[in-house]
Amino acid sequence: QSVLTQPPSASGTPGQRVTISCSGSSSNIGSNTVNWYQQLPGTAPKLLIYSNNQRPSGVPDRFSGSKSGTSASLAISGLQSEDEADYYCAAWDDSLKGVFGGGTKLTVL
Amino acid sequence: EVQLVESGGGLVQPGRSLRLSCTASGFTFGDYAMSWVRQAPGKGLEWVGFIRSKAYGGTTEYAASVKGRFTISRDDSKSIAYLQMNSLKTEDTAVYYCTRDPLGGDYWGQGTLVTVSS
Repeated sequence: QSVLTQPPSASGTPGQRVTISCSGSSSNIGSNTVNWYQQLPGTAPKLLIYSNNQRPSGVPDRFSGSKSGTSASLAISGLQSEDEADYYCAAWDDSLKGVFGGGTKLTVL
Repeated sequence: EVQLVESGGGLVQPGRSLRLSCTASGFTFGDYAMSWVRQAPGKGLEWVGFIRSKAYGGTTEYAASVKGRFTISRDDSKSIAYLQMNSLKTEDTAVYYCTRDPLGGDYWGQGTLVTVSS
């Protein structure tokens, strides 16, 4: 059971906009920033969003993040087939532990 | 170019020990906290722990599931972070990634597989 809650799956068609939610508590998302990671099959995770809504260099602006209260969201606009991957949210907890969501498998139909 | 390369994984019996290494290059290793994240087969990511840079005391934090059994250390002269794993359990079977940042940063290694089985 992961500390952060994500839907196990999401899907969309090419060109569509999809969002993935991440729910936490006051001790993690509520008081710390959120990161998002993309993991393509058979590869290491890649940082997609940090500090709630910041994109590392090289990440397309189709990817955006937001946070409100104890929840966060990742939005992907203009969905492409290469976006098919597992997506994870993560946050620091006030207990000085890192916590991840269980992951969301995104399928591009 | 920043690179992180994990090594030391393999098959180990329950109750035994194993030490993983993460060799870094392409950046000033001593300036950064380093963390370990693992992924059991077919499962999600789990934060294992991290070590602060010497500037912040070089202290460590661990997940409850590994505290008391795992130890993270660093050798800044060699640009290597270590994960010493003792009293291994079957549930420790996973791919172990090292990453730059306390939580999981902009650079990750390719991972090394640890299988705990008799």
